[in-house]
Amino acid sequence: AQSVTQLDSQVPVFEEAPVELRCNYSSSVSVYLFWYVQYPNQGLQLLLKYLSGSTLVESINGFEAEFNKSQTSFHLRKPSVHISDTAEYFCAVLNTDKLIFGTGTRLQVFP
Amino acid sequence: DTGVSQDPRHKITKRGQNVTFRCDPISEHNRLYWYRQTLGQGPEFLTYFQNEAQLEKSRLLSDRFSAERPKGSFSTLEIQRTEQGDSAMYLCASSSDRLSGNTIYFGEGSWLTVV
Repeated sequence: AQSVTQLDSQVPVFEEAPVELRCNYSSSVSVYLFWYVQYPNQGLQLLLKYLSGSTLVESINGFEAEFNKSQTSFHLRKPSVHISDTAEYFCAVLNTDKLIFGTGTRLQVFP
Repeated sequence: DTGVSQDPRHKITKRGQNVTFRCDPISEHNRLYWYRQTLGQGPEFLTYFQNEAQLEKSRLLSDRFSAERPKGSFSTLEIQRTEQGDSAMYLCASSSDRLSGNTIYFGEGSWLTVV
């Protein structure tokens, strides 16, 4: 079965610093990968997704992720974070029409 | 398009009581999902529907849990004889197999606290 592993449960970072949230997937077939963000006491919002084509995908708020087949990774990056990026970030893989999520990474941005 | 709507947003109940959550998906979406999320964890799949048919159920969905989608539109998730371990956020999501992208959209969730 397909699964994802998020290697870091928490990532503290100062405002305007770059950040990388790591995600590795396990699959022997084609994968559809997603990053969702969850702000406190809210549901999940889609940040970006990889279905096919270009391995670098971007979101509207400056995040990007690169699909790396050889390393089975889909790490999320942002060159300069804001206080408002503080949230929980979930990596997910589509497995027979349903999403399977990682355990999440809490990004805490400090001023 | 009002997004996925869930009701109630918060529910506190005594152990042993029954609770029901409702989900209204995005109007043109034929797939509807239920997930459970506990503090500090990622969402865990419970079940999903395509139209009115329940296509898959997780082993997490014990006999006390039942989900329905009678007309292929809204769905209900009922938990009977609640236990403290049922305390969690229950997330509903929807998608369409007729639209490209396989994007699954989530609601705001329904928080359940069993005391």
